[in-house]
Amino acid sequence: SSELTQDPAVSVALGQTVRITCQGDSLRSYYASWYQQKPGQAPVLVIYDKNNRPSGIPDRFSGSSSGNTASLTITGAQAEDEADYYCNSRDNSGNHPWFGGGTKLTVL
Amino acid sequence: QVQLQESGPGLVKPSETLSLTCTVSGGSISSFYWSWIRQPPGKGLEWIGYIYYTGSSNYNPSLKSRVTISVDTSKNQFSLKLTSVTTADTAVYYCAREVYHRSTVTTYYAFDFWGQGRMVTVSS
Repeated sequence: SSELTQDPAVSVALGQTVRITCQGDSLRSYYASWYQQKPGQAPVLVIYDKNNRPSGIPDRFSGSSSGNTASLTITGAQAEDEADYYCNSRDNSGNHPWFGGGTKLTVL
Repeated sequence: QVQLQESGPGLVKPSETLSLTCTVSGGSISSFYWSWIRQPPGKGLEWIGYIYYTGSSNYNPSLKSRVTISVDTSKNQFSLKLTSVTTADTAVYYCAREVYHRSTVTTYYAFDFWGQGRMVTVSS
């Protein structure tokens, strides 16, 4: 299966912790990667592999995985974290990359 | 630091062919997968297809009949052609590098570098 499912919208109070989830059969075979996209900008990789952050990504971003569900956690959400977040993985064949539908994060 | 830059027409007429080129700087196009990804206004990301530096390619099944991606390693560029476009193909088109790692303990893919995006409008 190629489908990756995300909640359309999530909100979090400033300074609190929020988890954004992504479900899909292929996540049993491949770790998800996570992208942050702010309006008018290209997506930016924030988490890849089991729980790795590219250089420059704050350590309040972390990733985890269990079964067919991958999660992106922001611990101590900041106003600048308000954005759309997408998960991504290959399908079970490993041939095709797919994206989740995206989650709009609002920081209250 | 690797940088990607899309170039090509921002306006294409219906039924014509959309053509974009991505120029890679700050690193070699050899190794890695090189993808085109698009995002219609107000919608999510859609993978279009990728090419490996050797020339092997793979496409989104929903677009496969209309898409060709090619690579020119001498120019450090790869290109997208999408034929028979309609207004549904109006989108921001991104090029991106996908890294791949496989070991005994983990397997992952990730798009680590992206172009800034090129808005392409299909309209007469």
